[in-house]
Amino acid sequence: KQEVTQIPAALSVPEGENLVLNCSFTDSAIYNLQWFRQDPGKGLTSLLLIQSSQREQTSGRLNASLDKSSGRSTLYIAASQPGDSATYLCAVVQGGSEKLVFGKGTKLTVNP
Amino acid sequence: KAGVTQTPRYLIKTRGQQVTLSCSPISGHRSVSWYQQTPGQGLQFLFEYFSETQRNKGNFPGRFSGRQFSNSRSEMNVSTLELGDSALYLCASSSMGGLAGGPRYNEQFFGPGTRLTVL
Repeated sequence: KQEVTQIPAALSVPEGENLVLNCSFTDSAIYNLQWFRQDPGKGLTSLLLIQSSQREQTSGRLNASLDKSSGRSTLYIAASQPGDSATYLCAVVQGGSEKLVFGKGTKLTVNP
Repeated sequence: KAGVTQTPRYLIKTRGQQVTLSCSPISGHRSVSWYQQTPGQGLQFLFEYFSETQRNKGNFPGRFSGRQFSNSRSEMNVSTLELGDSALYLCASSSMGGLAGGPRYNEQFFGPGTRLTVL
């Protein structure tokens, strides 16, 4: 059974800091990995999708890496801003299914 | 292109009642999945539909059911509501028809959710 873990559960940083969020998964036979952002009481916003054959994806100040063999992904946020404050979730999909298995998320607070 | 829409956005029901939630996927998307989000359990997969067929089902009791219509819109139904069914219900759609192997193949997009409160 696939399990996804995100560390830390919460993170508070000053504005402008670069930071890394971690995601690990127990079964490396994944189809892809997706990072989401969730604002309080809202739905999920897709940030980055990494296919199993890829090593990283970049979008603006965000960079996500994937190491399938070690079962790890990281989300790097450069020059953090207060607007980045949200809960960040990673999720994996295994072959033959659209089912996303989620971690519990990292709650990020960026202080002005 | 319009995103995933869910109706209603908020619902208040009492124990024992039933409820139907609706999800309209992004135009052209044929796969719709449903998730339940609670503070204690996080996001849990309910079921997935593709071309009107349920392809996967999560570990939820039979009180939770769903269906998908020919236009890809989906509904989920919860019968005999319990207090523990209070949650944010999210639906997601994906294309499953994009360029296989392309960078955004099978990217999933979520709606704003329906907040269900059971009293």
